Order: sequence, then C-alpha cells, then structure tokens
Amino acid sequence: GEDVEQSLFLSVREGDSSVINCTYTDSSSTYLYWYKQEPGAGLQLLTYIFSNMDMKQDQRLTVLLNKKDKHLSLRIADTQTGDSAIYFCAERRWGYSTLTFGKGTMLLVSP
Amino acid sequence: EPEVTQTPSHQVTQMGQEVILRCVPISNHLYFYWYRQILGQKVEFLVSFYNNEISEKSEIFDDQFSVERPDGSNFTLKIRSTKLEDSAMYFCASSGTGANTEAFFGQGTRLTVV
Repeated sequence: GEDVEQSLFLSVREGDSSVINCTYTDSSSTYLYWYKQEPGAGLQLLTYIFSNMDMKQDQRLTVLLNKKDKHLSLRIADTQTGDSAIYFCAERRWGYSTLTFGKGTMLLVSP
Repeated sequence: EPEVTQTPSHQVTQMGQEVILRCVPISNHLYFYWYRQILGQKVEFLVSFYNNEISEKSEIFDDQFSVERPDGSNFTLKIRSTKLEDSAMYFCASSGTGANTEAFFGQGTRLTVV
C-alpha cells in the first residue's frame, strides 16, 4: 500500500533556506505534489514533479526527487514570514486520480 | 482566478443528525473529490466522482456517506447519522481531465459533532 511520511515541524529564520522532506513508499507514483495550507485556508497547490524527473525549479521553490530512496524535498529559498504554513506532500498513483497525503510539516519562519 | 468554494465554513451538529456539506467546483472541471482531515492526522481521501457517478471510494466512505451533484454547479457530501468521530475538516476538490490532473481544493468545512 501507499504511505507518505513527513517531519512534523521546521523552524527557520527569515532569509534562510527551508528544506521540507518527504518519503513515500509506492513505487508506482506518477506525480508528487507539494501543497501549502495557511491558517483557516484550503490546500493550495505549490508545485509538482513527475516521477521521471529529478528536479524542478519554480522561482523560490526547488523540488528534488530521489526515486531510488523514494525521497522528495521542497526547498524554499529566502524564506519569508509569509511562508509560515503547513506544507503537505502528496502522491498520485499511476491510473488513479486521487491523492495520498502526508501529515504535513508546519513551517515557522521567525523574523 | 477560478476557485473551489465550500459552505459552510464551520458546522456544528448533534450526534445522530444528518449534515450536508456543499461545494461549488471549478466550472469546467470534470472530477470532483471529498477529502477529510481529522485534527492532527493526515488528509484522507473519501471519494471521487466523475460522469455523475462514484469512480473511487475509500474504506472510510461507508453507507452513512453519500455524494450528489444535484445540478450543474454543486457537489454535496451527506453524512446521514453523524458520529463524534466524524468531526474533521472536510475538503472538496476538483480537477480537469487528462494525464496531468492537478486537484484544486476548497478552503474546507470544519464539522464538529457534539
């Protein structure tokens, strides 16, 4: 079966880089996603990577995928206080449209 | 920018009562979903809906749950007889069609069963 694990909490200072890690177990994953949830808000899709890619960069966000270790990371460069939120890793299996989420990593950015 | 909207944002209900959670998906999307997140736990898939029928459902989605698309815009989740353990944040999502179907989520409905 599929499972997605994340560390629960990360604290960084404004201006530093943040790296949020995720591991998954399903080798048939096709897309891996990062969602952001701000307090009282829904899940906002930040970025995604197809499982045949190693890296994807989108402005301040860099996604790295190590397929051998089934490890996904999200790097946020120059982290701002507005980046404070819960970040969810999610995977989608081949042939399915549904997502399997991790528990989320709370990122706290201090000034 | 198009968005998924959910109502109400917070609902309190007594155990045993029926609740209906409402969602308006993005208008040209074809797939609709309900997920839930019990406090402190993972976001869990409940059900997906395509072409006016359920396409997938999880073990959580038992007989007390049902979904409906009563008109061209709304997508509802009904819980017939709520239990305390149904208390959670319920997220509606929709996605288009094709190989890369990113799901767009609503802001959620917090259901509290007392």
